[in-house]
Amino acid sequence: AQSVTQPDIHITVSEGASLELRCNYSYGATPYLFWYVQSPGQGLQLLLKYFSGDTLVQGIKGFEAEFKRSQSSFNLRKPSVHWSDAAEYFCAVGVRNYQLIWGAGTKLIIKP
Amino acid sequence: GAGVSQSPSNKVTEKGKDVELRCDPISGHTALYWYRQSLGQGLEFLIYFQGNSAPDKSGLPSDRFSAERTGGSVSTLTIQRTQQEDSAVYLCASSLVMRHLAYEQYFGPGTRLTVT
Repeated sequence: AQSVTQPDIHITVSEGASLELRCNYSYGATPYLFWYVQSPGQGLQLLLKYFSGDTLVQGIKGFEAEFKRSQSSFNLRKPSVHWSDAAEYFCAVGVRNYQLIWGAGTKLIIKP
Repeated sequence: GAGVSQSPSNKVTEKGKDVELRCDPISGHTALYWYRQSLGQGLEFLIYFQGNSAPDKSGLPSDRFSAERTGGSVSTLTIQRTQQEDSAVYLCASSLVMRHLAYEQYFGPGTRLTVT
């Protein structure tokens, strides 16, 4: 069955430190992979996407993610976080009929 | 341009009452999705509309849930005889239907439904 796992419910990072949010998926075919961010009081916004080609993809707000087929992972990274990055981050995999299967989310807390 | 809009933003209703939630997609987006987000959970797919095709209702949790899309634009999600477990944020998204672009979904701010 298709599934997405985000093993960390919460992550706390100091402002200026690097960040890595983990995402593992289970899907039988070549995956389409996505990261979305949900800021307090705001709708979900697409951060970046992977369809094919270069396995390191760049997104908005200085985020990047790397697709590793051997590990079934699509981890999100940022070299230096800002207080405004505090939000909830969701990983998703695109399946049939343009549906997205979602992880449970990781809440990012930024320490001043 | 205008994004996806949803109304109402908040709805409190009594158990057993019916509710209607509305979604206005981005103009020109022929695909429309409804999701449910419960506290601490990821998004749960409910229903998908694409153009004039029959909707994919495979995610609707019970026959108390229904949705329609009039004129290929506005959509209404109806929950009949609401139960406390229906309390959640209901999110609407829209997208183009053009190969991979269909996966790039644009979300509305959601309707927070509370059933008392």
